[in-house]
Amino acid sequence: DIQMTQSPSTLSASVGDRITITCRASQTIRSWLAWYQHKPGIAPKLLIYEASTLQSGVPSRFSGSGSGTEFTLTISSLQPDDFGTYYCQQYHTYPLTFGGGTKVAIK
Amino acid sequence: QLVESGGGVVQPGRSLRLSCAASGFPFSSFAMHWVRQAPGKGLDWVTLISYDASNKYYADSVRGRFTISRDNSENMLFLQMNSLRPEDTAVYYCAREDADYLDLWGQGTLVTVSS
Repeated sequence: DIQMTQSPSTLSASVGDRITITCRASQTIRSWLAWYQHKPGIAPKLLIYEASTLQSGVPSRFSGSGSGTEFTLTISSLQPDDFGTYYCQQYHTYPLTFGGGTKVAIK
Repeated sequence: QLVESGGGVVQPGRSLRLSCAASGFPFSSFAMHWVRQAPGKGLDWVTLISYDASNKYYADSVRGRFTISRDNSENMLFLQMNSLRPEDTAVYYCAREDADYLDLWGQGTLVTVSS
């Protein structure tokens, strides 16, 4: 199975800050990577697919980059609604695998 | 939207059937997945069924115990869970697939396996 490793596991930042979350795959997944936002009690939300394509309706402050084994999710200006846990997921090979998550808190 | 149901408390070794009602999109055109989240843990993929039910894939941890199925005439997805274990305790989400990523998720249903 392809292992996905996210860092950091937790992050606390202020409104307006630029934050970056890193995701590493144990082997190349080309650009077959998605990012999700998950808040307690709410359905997970797709933010980005194919490493850098913004899902329709997702604010442009979210962006993704990378290919191969190294990927990043960036929020250019953190907003109060951006709290939650962010997960990367590879879809290069089954079984689909997720990173361990990055919990983002607003200071 | 996707709405899961059927969760609850069940003893180890027993069975449970989860359902997922789909609406607002052509259900029969999409592959569907189940993903779970154990308490305090991250997301864990469980199983996939193709749009026409001709292909199914399972995580090693549930293969032989769980069965995914669908009824395209009723816009319903199912997960039959047999021989349940305490480690199957989780919130179970159904999700729609678009080119292998999951673009629409339900809010989940909690399954607790405990004696």
